[in-house]
Amino acid sequence: SQTIHQWPATLVQPVGSPLSLECTVEGTSNPNLYWYRQAAGRGLQLLFYSVGIGQISSEVPQNLSASRPQDRQFILSSKKLLLSDSGFYLCAWSVGDTEGSVNTDTEAFFGQGTRLTVV
Amino acid sequence: AQSVTQLDSHVSVSEGTPVLLRCNYSSSYSPSLFWYVQHPNKGLQLLLKYTSAATLVKGINGFEAEFKKSETSFHLTKPSAHMSDAAEYFCVVSDQGGSQGNLIFGKGTKLSVKP
Repeated sequence: SQTIHQWPATLVQPVGSPLSLECTVEGTSNPNLYWYRQAAGRGLQLLFYSVGIGQISSEVPQNLSASRPQDRQFILSSKKLLLSDSGFYLCAWSVGDTEGSVNTDTEAFFGQGTRLTVV
Repeated sequence: AQSVTQLDSHVSVSEGTPVLLRCNYSSSYSPSLFWYVQHPNKGLQLLLKYTSAATLVKGINGFEAEFKKSETSFHLTKPSAHMSDAAEYFCVVSDQGGSQGNLIFGKGTKLSVKP
């Protein structure tokens, strides 16, 4: 069966410090991978998605970046955190297709999330 | 552009009474629609999804939702609430015509269940 791991579960970082959140998926190959952010009182916002190694699409220009160094590894980073980066970050995966596109019919499977507080 | 509106930010019901969480969507194409549930500080779990098959969709934990194209609605219901249903619920839309696979989430409805 497929599983998704996301860590750490909670993180408190000072303004200006770097960030690295990691997500890995097991039990599937060539998944589509996503990073979402949930700010207080808001729905989830898609930050990045990836249909393959080294292929990253950014939905919202911001202080964050993403990388996919391996097929089932997705990393969210920042060089210098801002107060506004605080929120709940969720990694997700869905079944990829052979054409490298995203099938929006399929459900997304979410990690447990990381609560980031920037102080 | 597609969008989704959850009409209530907070719904409170008593245990054993019906649950209704409202969702309206806007989509240029035939939409796929989902309901996800999120328990505190946890990831999201899919409750059910509609992808142009039967308009009444049954999901896990006794939840169901009805796709009504004329009303552009996809309300989530359950006949009898349990304490364990207390969580935040998200209505989600995605366009089959879209190429980016962007799942558009509503702002969420927090469901409280009173004993």
